[in-house]
Amino acid sequence: GQNIDQPTEMTATEGAIVQINCTYQTSGFNGLFWYQQHAGEAPTFLSYNVLDGLEEKGRFSSFLSRSKGYSYLLLKELQMKDSASYLCAVKDSNYQLIWGAGTKLIIKP
Amino acid sequence: IAGITQAPTSQILAAGRRMTLRCTQDMRHNAMYWYRQDLGLGLRLIHYSNTAGTTGKGEVPDGYSVSRANTDDFPLTLASAVPSQTSVYFCASSDSENEQFFGPGTRLTVL
Repeated sequence: GQNIDQPTEMTATEGAIVQINCTYQTSGFNGLFWYQQHAGEAPTFLSYNVLDGLEEKGRFSSFLSRSKGYSYLLLKELQMKDSASYLCAVKDSNYQLIWGAGTKLIIKP
Repeated sequence: IAGITQAPTSQILAAGRRMTLRCTQDMRHNAMYWYRQDLGLGLRLIHYSNTAGTTGKGEVPDGYSVSRANTDDFPLTLASAVPSQTSVYFCASSDSENEQFFGPGTRLTVL
């Protein structure tokens, strides 16, 4: 079967750095996405990795290792507005997205 | 304003009733999707459409049907609602291989 694993919940302090991990087992791989979802709102796109390595976009970076079936999202200089759920999704061999259950990130002052 | 709209925002429905959730996008995206999101679970694909006139089944299609008569609209119909279909429903669209854009969601409660 296909599986995406992420921690259910993480807590971090405002101004700090946090790393959210995602491991996957899917039938084929055509890219990995990270989305942010604030409570009661729709998911919004953060990043896309299809090749191994680090993609940096402002305070957010995403890393991919295809051989290990592993990705992480790194958030720097945390702000209170970063409190949200972070969803990892893999595009499988049918080009459909398989979604993890999401990691709820709580930012404390 | 470009984007995706969904209607209604929320709905309470008696079991056994028929219901259509509406989704419209104005970005001229070829692909559209319907997901349901339940607490503790990831987004699950119900149905999708890669282009106008075609549709496909996702992970959890039973009890749902869709149509794609044109590029902009992708309605989702529950023929006879059951309590297990209580969920938040998101419509999304994408331009080929790129990221998906989501509508604001419909919160559906079936009693």
